[in-house]
Amino acid sequence: KNQVEQSPQSLIILEGKNCTLQCNYTVSPFSNLRWYKQDTGRGPVSLTIMTFSENTKSNGRYTATLDADTKQSSLHITASQLSDSASYICVVSARDDYKLSFGAGTTVTVRA
Amino acid sequence: KAGVTQTPRYLIKTRGQQVTLSCSPISGHRSVSWYQQTPGQGLQFLFEYFSETQRNKGNFPGRFSGRQFSNSRSEMNVSTLELGDSALYLCASSFSRASGATDTQYFGPGTRLTVL
Repeated sequence: KNQVEQSPQSLIILEGKNCTLQCNYTVSPFSNLRWYKQDTGRGPVSLTIMTFSENTKSNGRYTATLDADTKQSSLHITASQLSDSASYICVVSARDDYKLSFGAGTTVTVRA
Repeated sequence: KAGVTQTPRYLIKTRGQQVTLSCSPISGHRSVSWYQQTPGQGLQFLFEYFSETQRNKGNFPGRFSGRQFSNSRSEMNVSTLELGDSALYLCASSFSRASGATDTQYFGPGTRLTVL
């Protein structure tokens, strides 16, 4: 069964600090992995999309990494800002049936 | 370019009723996907339409159905509503087939459905 596990479930960090979110998946065969940011009460916004051949992709202060061999991805937030407070969702697409598997998300709270 | 729009934004229904939600994708996008989001289950995939054809379907009962029109606008229908259907229903659009391609999916603000 295709699964996506995210950790931690939630975390609190101080403004200006860095943090790293983890995503482990069992989806096979792998097509692509996406990270989304969802602010409270709003729809998710795409941060990065990575295919098998990509192991790092950045979007401003967000950097995603992918290790397709170990089936792990991470999202690193640099110099966090209050506006980074949100839920971050990892989504993996399978290549054969194109179905999407969603992680439960990591809730990040940035405090001043 | 206008973003993905969903109507209505909020809806209150009672058990047994049916509901229709609407989604207008970004101009030029041919793929529309629907998702259900609840605090306990997170985001769950309902179905995806591409060029008026359902291309993919999640594990939801037949009470959940959808369609896509020739202008790519999509509707989702839920019949015989149950309390557990209370959720945020999100629609997302992309140029190519969202699930297999690497095109960015753009989400709408969602419709908050409350079933009493």
